[in-house]
Amino acid sequence: AQSVTQLDSQVPVFEEAPVELRCNYSSSVSVYLFWYVQYPNQGLQLLLKYLSGSTLVKGINGFEAEFNKSQTSFHLRKPSVHISDTAEYFCAVRGRSGGGADGLTFGKGTHLIIQP
Amino acid sequence: NAGVTQTPKFQVLKTGQSMTLQCAQDMNHEYMSWYRQDPGMGLRLIHYSVGAGITDQGEVPNGYNVSRSTTEDFPLRLLSAAPSQTSVYFCASSYSWRQSYEQYFGPGTRLTVT
Repeated sequence: AQSVTQLDSQVPVFEEAPVELRCNYSSSVSVYLFWYVQYPNQGLQLLLKYLSGSTLVKGINGFEAEFNKSQTSFHLRKPSVHISDTAEYFCAVRGRSGGGADGLTFGKGTHLIIQP
Repeated sequence: NAGVTQTPKFQVLKTGQSMTLQCAQDMNHEYMSWYRQDPGMGLRLIHYSVGAGITDQGEVPNGYNVSRSTTEDFPLRLLSAAPSQTSVYFCASSYSWRQSYEQYFGPGTRLTVT
């Protein structure tokens, strides 16, 4: 079975400051990891993904994430945030929470709040 | 391609009413799934399908039915709506079971049950 823990439900950050959103996972299948972003009143958009290879993954809008197998983490970072980054961010792992290698299991989300 | 489409965008139901949320994709994807999103709970899987004629239960299937008579369509039926089913519902699709981690999401349906 798979599970994802997002350690912070809400992260307030000042504009142009760096940010890190934390994600830890548990998986019984080959680990594929994802970050999705959801802007207010919109659907989910893929930000970046780790399937294999380099542990540092770059995504859209200047975001990057690092896969750390020993710490079972996949934290999302951005060196300088903008007011437009205000959104809900979801970490996800390949596979279903009840078991099975298909589909995705999501964390509960982190609300990133950018303060001017 | 329109991608994944969902109708309606918004719906208000009274307790006990039934309705069907529609989901369609035009990408010839085999794998389709339904999630519900509740504040502080993330996305939870309701039902999924690995191909036409094949469906299975996810994490929170109670109170919902699905069918998959065609590759394109995957409707979600609420049999007797309850206030606990107030949520935002997302449909998603993937090329195949083996690539079901590459999911394309629809815009969502916001459902309120009074």
